Amino acid sequence: RKEVEQDPGPFNVPEGATVAFNCTYSNSASQSFFWYRQDCRKEPKLLMSVYSSGNEDGRFTAQLNRASQYISLLIRDSKLSDSATYLCVVNMLNNDMRFGAGTRLTVKP
Amino acid sequence: DAMVIQNPRYQVTQFGKPVTLSCSQTLNHNVMYWYQQKSSQAPKLLFHYYDKDFNNEADTPDNFQSRRPNTSFCFLDIRSPGLGDAAMYLCATSDQGMSTDTQYFGPGTRLTVL
Repeated sequence: RKEVEQDPGPFNVPEGATVAFNCTYSNSASQSFFWYRQDCRKEPKLLMSVYSSGNEDGRFTAQLNRASQYISLLIRDSKLSDSATYLCVVNMLNNDMRFGAGTRLTVKP
Repeated sequence: DAMVIQNPRYQVTQFGKPVTLSCSQTLNHNVMYWYQQKSSQAPKLLFHYYDKDFNNEADTPDNFQSRRPNTSFCFLDIRSPGLGDAAMYLCATSDQGMSTDTQYFGPGTRLTVL
């Protein structure tokens, strides 16, 4: 089993759609979790941190299920500017950061 | 203002010719990371420093070395670059002492090996 696994994608959705990405992790001792977005040929930028059961920031909601070792990202009312690759990142332990392979999202007019 | 700076942004080297990539930060973070990212793949952690303590990933080739002379700077040395080392190299920092361990990434150095 991979340490961090994500939906392979790609996701192609119309503007205004709601889309959800899933991510599972293998280390039950992992303490912190993140969603980053990465635009083509750019560095990853933090979208959301997930420290408890989840949190919400505008159109974005992240949820954490420790029992199932699963985190999700929900994007409501998709915008064209949401098109990017979304990376799930898990701090396995002691700064051992592991990235998922990323899920590519394209929002179409 | 840039918080994590990488130089150069683009580096071209020849097969087998040593190259050094530079990362500096103005955040005074105690942890610095180096990642390798190949096209359409996720960033892969090579190693990280927690203060002066070096933590190497088990599968990082010996060809890759790192130095952290002070809090602000960290270098990635590739001793004998091969064609397979062509990639984007990302530096990131985080502050272990804070309640969050969010990583802040630099813009990356794109390495081409001829």
